[in-house]
Amino acid sequence: QVQLQESGPGLVKPSETLSLTCTIAGGSIGKYYWSWIRQPAGKGLEWIGRIQTSGTTDYNPSLKSRVAVSVDTSKRQFSLKLTSVTAADTAVYYCAFLGAGIWGQGSLVTVSS
Amino acid sequence: DVVMTQIPLSLSVTPGQPASISCKSSQSLLRSDGKTSLYWYLQKPGQSPQLLIYEVSSRLSGVPDRFSGSGSGTEFTLQISRVEAEDVGVYYCMQGIHLVTFGGGTKVEIK
Repeated sequence: QVQLQESGPGLVKPSETLSLTCTIAGGSIGKYYWSWIRQPAGKGLEWIGRIQTSGTTDYNPSLKSRVAVSVDTSKRQFSLKLTSVTAADTAVYYCAFLGAGIWGQGSLVTVSS
Repeated sequence: DVVMTQIPLSLSVTPGQPASISCKSSQSLLRSDGKTSLYWYLQKPGQSPQLLIYEVSSRLSGVPDRFSGSGSGTEFTLQISRVEAEDVGVYYCMQGIHLVTFGGGTKVEIK
């Protein structure tokens, strides 16, 4: 059974780059799409983007100019970079395999100086 | 962009009573393989979302049969036949054919 775990800094300064990594444990990394989703406190879910193990990416149009998702199949990891962050990017960030309904536990990232 | 609209925003239900949540998409979610890319998630307080229903009406293994999904094209419904205390949380519909979009969520609480 696949399990996902997010890791990365919990605090990022405004205008800097948010970086998170999701480690895939168990199961096959396969030719699947691996997604990032975020949720500001008390608000709904926002899909950020996804990557297939081939390297193909798709992004939320509203974030596309600031987002990059990459994958390292040898490490069984995929990563998120979000540039030029502001307080509006403060949220719990989840990695997920949406097709199977598998989500990480979430990683709170706060943007503050 | 595909917009997913959920109604109602919140629901207060007496245990044992039914509940229904509507989700409408701004575009058809029918795929070329004949399946429809509409999912239902429940996010319980303090937890990650959990998948309940995929492709409109298929329950994930382990999901109680009091949960059922229906609909086609652009209009979908999640029904809970008899709400239990453990069903509280926020329900989200999600489409996965035009990138990915979530509905705004429906908060279900117990009276």
